[in-house]
Order: sequence, then structure tokens, then C-alpha cells
Amino acid sequence: GNSVTQMEGPVTLSEEAFLTINCTYTATGYPSLFWYVQYPGEGLQLLLKATKADDKGSNKGFEATYRKETTSFHLEKGSVQVSDSAVYFCASDGGATNKLIFGTGTLLAVQP
Amino acid sequence: ETGVTQSPTHLIKTRGQQVTLRCSSQSGHNTVSWYQQALGQGPQFIFQYYREEENGRGNFPPRFSGLQFPNYSSELNVNALELDDSALYLCASSSAGSETQYFGPGTRLLVL
Repeated sequence: GNSVTQMEGPVTLSEEAFLTINCTYTATGYPSLFWYVQYPGEGLQLLLKATKADDKGSNKGFEATYRKETTSFHLEKGSVQVSDSAVYFCASDGGATNKLIFGTGTLLAVQP
Repeated sequence: ETGVTQSPTHLIKTRGQQVTLRCSSQSGHNTVSWYQQALGQGPQFIFQYYREEENGRGNFPPRFSGLQFPNYSSELNVNALELDDSALYLCASSSAGSETQYFGPGTRLLVL
């Protein structure tokens, strides 16, 4: 079946620290993979995506590489800011385009 | 370009009542998907509409129903509300065949 597993939070970091949030997936097809971010009281914003193996998605200093061999799509940022504090969701379309499968979300708290 | 909009932003209902939530898709998008996000969880796919027809459904009972209109806007209807229906309801729009979905701000429903 199709599923997404991401590391549980909360993740607490100091400003300018390096961030990694792990995400792994299972899929019956060839999925596209996504990271969405949710700020308090808001909906989901697309952060980045990758549509095939070895693709790297990037946006606002965040990066994630689609690793088919390890079925992973880990989110990284070299230097986090307080404004990055939010919940981050990894998602897969399972190889189809009619639904997204989400992980449970990882709360990131960045302290000044 | 207008993004995805949802109404109302908040709603309080009592058990057994019925509710209708509304979504306007992003300009140029003809596909609308609905998700339920319980507190502290990732969004769960309810269903998708394309060309006014249901195009995939998640594991939700028939009391969750929807409509899509010729202008691609959509409604989510929930009958016989239960306490567990309390959640953030998210609408996402996309272009047919595109893997990327863009989310609205959500409607927060509280069932008492």
C-alpha cells in the first residue's frame, strides 16, 4: 500500500542550526513527493516537491532529494530562522494524482 | 492570480446537525480535493471532484458528500454530525493531471 512516515516531533533548535526532518514512503507506483508547511492557524503551503528519483526540490533554503533506493525524502536546511517555526508535513501522491497521503507532521520550534 | 478560498473560516454545530462547507478553486484549476485534518494529525483525503464528478474517495462514510459546480467551485456536505467530525477541513485545487495541489486556509468545524 501507500504510506508516509516522518519523524515525530517536536524538534527544537537554536537559530542558525542545521535541520533534518526524516521522511520515508511506501508506494505501489512511482510517486511524486512533497513537503508542505503549516503555520499556526493556517492551511498548508507547498514548500517543495520532486517528481522522480534523484530529483532535488528546493525553496527558501530548504532542500529534499528523492531517494528511490532508500524510499526517502528527508527535508534539510542549513541554517534555520525563528520564522521557520511551523509544522512540516511530508506527502506522497502514491503514483496517482487524485489524492495526497500525508505523514503525521513534525513540529519545528526555533529559538532565538 | 486568486488562490484557493474557503468559507466559513469557523463553524460550531451540534451533534446530529448538517453542515455545508464551500471552496473556490485557484484560477485555472479544474480539480478540487477535500481533506480532513484532526488536531495534531496529518490531513486525510475525503474525496476529489473533476468535471463535476467524484474522482476518487477516501475511507469516509456516505454522510460525507460533495458537489462541484461548472465554475469548478465545490461544496462539502456532512450529515448527522458526530463529535469526531470536529476538525480542520481543507480544500485543495489543481489542474487535471498535475501532481501538485494548492490548499486553502481551511474551515475549522467544532461539533458539540
